[in-house]
Amino acid sequence: QQQVKQSPQSLIVQKGGIPIINCAYENTAFDYFPWYQQFPGKGPALLIAIRPDVSEKKEGRFTISFNKSAKQFSLHIMDSQPGDSATYFCAGTGGSNYKLTFGKGTLLTVNP
Amino acid sequence: DGGITQSPKYLFRKEGQNVTLSCEQNLNHDAMYWYRQDPGQGLRLIYYSQIVNDFQKGDIAEGYSVSREKKESFPLTVTSAQKNPTAFYLCASRLDGAHGYTFGSGTRLTVV
Repeated sequence: QQQVKQSPQSLIVQKGGIPIINCAYENTAFDYFPWYQQFPGKGPALLIAIRPDVSEKKEGRFTISFNKSAKQFSLHIMDSQPGDSATYFCAGTGGSNYKLTFGKGTLLTVNP
Repeated sequence: DGGITQSPKYLFRKEGQNVTLSCEQNLNHDAMYWYRQDPGQGLRLIYYSQIVNDFQKGDIAEGYSVSREKKESFPLTVTSAQKNPTAFYLCASRLDGAHGYTFGSGTRLTVV
């Protein structure tokens, strides 16, 4: 059972474009939703995260929008750069063991 | 510098052999995790440990075993019972709360 559904699987944008990656979750016990960025051959690194008591969080060029009633959240990357080309994972977690449940990932390519 | 060290970076296993993947952290984190990553599948939890001498199965524990004899170390053994072991394996540790995850750079295991 996939508890976090992520789309699209891949995304190609031009430099300066605004890629949007969407996620939907099923587990209402989740109370923390991080996004991770992964470059080839490396481990994921935390990019930005949100809790369900806020509808939007912005850090630099990265923004998370959160819709609690729809159980959906999305990542927007403003003024995208070729260096943003990577795989992005959304995740959810809740409870004392803080296990992360990941989406399947989105491969983003930003063309120069 | 503090961090997580996974070794080796690449590992080749013959069918029927057990292999052990190393994960060492000097972050003084209590919790440690093993994830498996397959193309297009996201990261799936194999085992986790929240304290020394204790560990729990994750979503795909069959064919794997772990130990947690020291706080700094959480080795993963891929046994011959794992029918499809070729994958990228990621170790992570966590200090406090869901935001405190640190991932290693991974071990790519290939069955030959």
